[in-house]
Amino acid sequence: NAGVTQTPKFRVLKTGQSMTLLCAQDMNHEYMYWYRQDPGMGLRLIHYSVGEGTTAKGEVPDGYNVSRLKKQNFLLGLESAAPSQTSVYFCASSYSATGRQPQHFGDGTRLSIL
Amino acid sequence: KQEVTQIPAALSVPEGENLVLNCSFTDSAIYNLQWFRQDPGKGLTSLLLIQSSQREQTSGRLNASLDKSSGRSTLYIAASQPGDSATYLCAVNPNGAAGNKLTFGGGTRVLVKP
Repeated sequence: NAGVTQTPKFRVLKTGQSMTLLCAQDMNHEYMYWYRQDPGMGLRLIHYSVGEGTTAKGEVPDGYNVSRLKKQNFLLGLESAAPSQTSVYFCASSYSATGRQPQHFGDGTRLSIL
Repeated sequence: KQEVTQIPAALSVPEGENLVLNCSFTDSAIYNLQWFRQDPGKGLTSLLLIQSSQREQTSGRLNASLDKSSGRSTLYIAASQPGDSATYLCAVNPNGAAGNKLTFGGGTRVLVKP
């Protein structure tokens, strides 16, 4: 049972490069989320989606774009990477619209911007 | 703006001792509160979810209490084991609408010594 799968697991980029992080879930969840985790800052919500074809901004959306073309996939893009975007990125998904079910997390993508 | 705080940031106990982890939040108007465990290099695993109408939730050796009026939740782990060593995070869900957007505390890193 895969759950939430994130690719890649590690990546090093140079400033100004672009890349896309992929999140895939096989639980038929409607809701998907992208977080970043930084020392001393905890997890912060970047963007989220309440269903296929929808996206919305979270707490720290600047510098990121997302797409949810298929229900099972949620993509996070960095158009022009900056050192401040060095972080661990987590994707999560949940089933319930009312928040009565917990979120399920992937193992993270560790991204370094040089 | 909701703020979630976990004190202490780190805790070390001998095996067999009971663990008490604290979580406080500034806005008592929450929908639910969730406790997670995070192992090094891994994602978050949901441990317990307490709805705002509940006072506590139990799962095996874990018990979480919620006092909305005082803005506090406590996670108790009975008879700690070395395998309980991990970082524990709490997160609050402000409402049940528009997705399960969580605000996280900074976590408490726990070390259980054999």
